[in-house]
Amino acid sequence: QQQVKQSPQSLIVQKGGISIINCAYENTAFDYFPWYQQFPGKGPALLIAIRPDVSEKKEGRFTISFNKSAKQFSLHIMDSQPGDSATYFCAAAGFNDYKLSFGAGTTVTVRA
Amino acid sequence: DTAVSQTPKYLVTQMGNDKSIKCEQNLGHDTMYWYKQDSKKFLKIMFSYNNKELIINETVPNRFSPKSPDKAHLNLHINSLELGDSAVYFCASSRGNSEQYFGPGTRLTVT
Repeated sequence: QQQVKQSPQSLIVQKGGISIINCAYENTAFDYFPWYQQFPGKGPALLIAIRPDVSEKKEGRFTISFNKSAKQFSLHIMDSQPGDSATYFCAAAGFNDYKLSFGAGTTVTVRA
Repeated sequence: DTAVSQTPKYLVTQMGNDKSIKCEQNLGHDTMYWYKQDSKKFLKIMFSYNNKELIINETVPNRFSPKSPDKAHLNLHINSLELGDSAVYFCASSRGNSEQYFGPGTRLTVT
């Protein structure tokens, strides 16, 4: 049973556009929400992470928005570039929990 | 410079064989993990060791056995390989339950 639901499965965006990926969870014990970026043939790499005490976190062109009451969080990629073409995974873990539950992934393609 | 390394990168073997994948991290982390990524790219944790002690043991066939000789190494041994074991296996490490750093993966193909 997948504890984190991620959508869409894939998206195509023009260079300079905004990519938005959404995730939802049910387990209210989750309190750590990272996003990972994976390029073909490589391992996932941590991109940005958020905890529920803030509603938004921004790092460069990447922003996480977090809605605790709705149990949803999303990744926004601003000014998308061809180099951002990758698979993005959201994940969640509970306090002091070593186990990350991953979403199914979103393949982002940025067209030049 | 490599933070988390795995060997081999590719592994092609026949059904019924036994194989091992090795993982090493030079980040000084105390926790290591094995993940399986299937053909649909879904990532699922299999095992985790903290200071050489098993702390996560998900529902995987007992043909899979992890071994942690020290905090910097975590190996995965698979007995009697089956077609369904074909996947990419990732090792990861972390300091406690903080950010996890993944290795480059081992693509296992069972024929």
